[in-house]
Amino acid sequence: KAGVTQTPRYLIKTRGQQVTLSCSPISGHRSVSWYQQTPGQGLQFLFEYFSETQRNKGNFPGRFSGRQFSNSRSEMNVSTLELGDSALYLCASSLPDRSTGELFFGEGSRLTVL
Amino acid sequence: AQSVTQLGSHVSVSEGALVLLRCNYSSSVPPYLFWYVQYPNQGLQLLLKYTTGATLVKGINGFEAEFKKSETSFHLTKPSAHMSDAAEYFCAVIRAGGTSYGKLTFGQGTILTVHP
Repeated sequence: KAGVTQTPRYLIKTRGQQVTLSCSPISGHRSVSWYQQTPGQGLQFLFEYFSETQRNKGNFPGRFSGRQFSNSRSEMNVSTLELGDSALYLCASSLPDRSTGELFFGEGSRLTVL
Repeated sequence: AQSVTQLGSHVSVSEGALVLLRCNYSSSVPPYLFWYVQYPNQGLQLLLKYTTGATLVKGINGFEAEFKKSETSFHLTKPSAHMSDAAEYFCAVIRAGGTSYGKLTFGQGTILTVHP
């Protein structure tokens, strides 16, 4: 069974630009979550989607947004990039049953903002 | 709200020695607890989880953890370290059966170094 796939793996942008990251969940998983990982702040929850609806959101500014498609694939977008947005962005998928809370993570998209 | 504290940002052991990574949590409701491992330039891999039932949980690669409610702890152990165990380890918590929807709260991580 294929794991969570994130694209691109690495990207470099400049301040003020925008970026879109993509995530394909494990087949059969309908919940997709996004996390930002930085050396200073650690792992922080961005948002979670299920059935194309955002069910949960972390404490990030409105420049961070996401969406989910009918095939459960998800994208996240960051507009007006700032230097502090440089991070590893991790996507995780899970079964819709929240009884275990277990997440399966992709390898991440490493964003560098210059 | 939930929170996780990992005691020790860096732990160094010799190959063959006991590995002990400490995790304490705070949760107002029964939690589910997890340990994840991250190798350089990779995502997070689940080592083990506690949801309900037996408080001693066994995971992959010889790791185990014990849920101690009275101590609000979920320490990770491995009897004999291997060089391949060198990585960063994260403890995480989520509300059991609630509406947390994908929102794990992670500790700051512990980097494990294994010396030959």
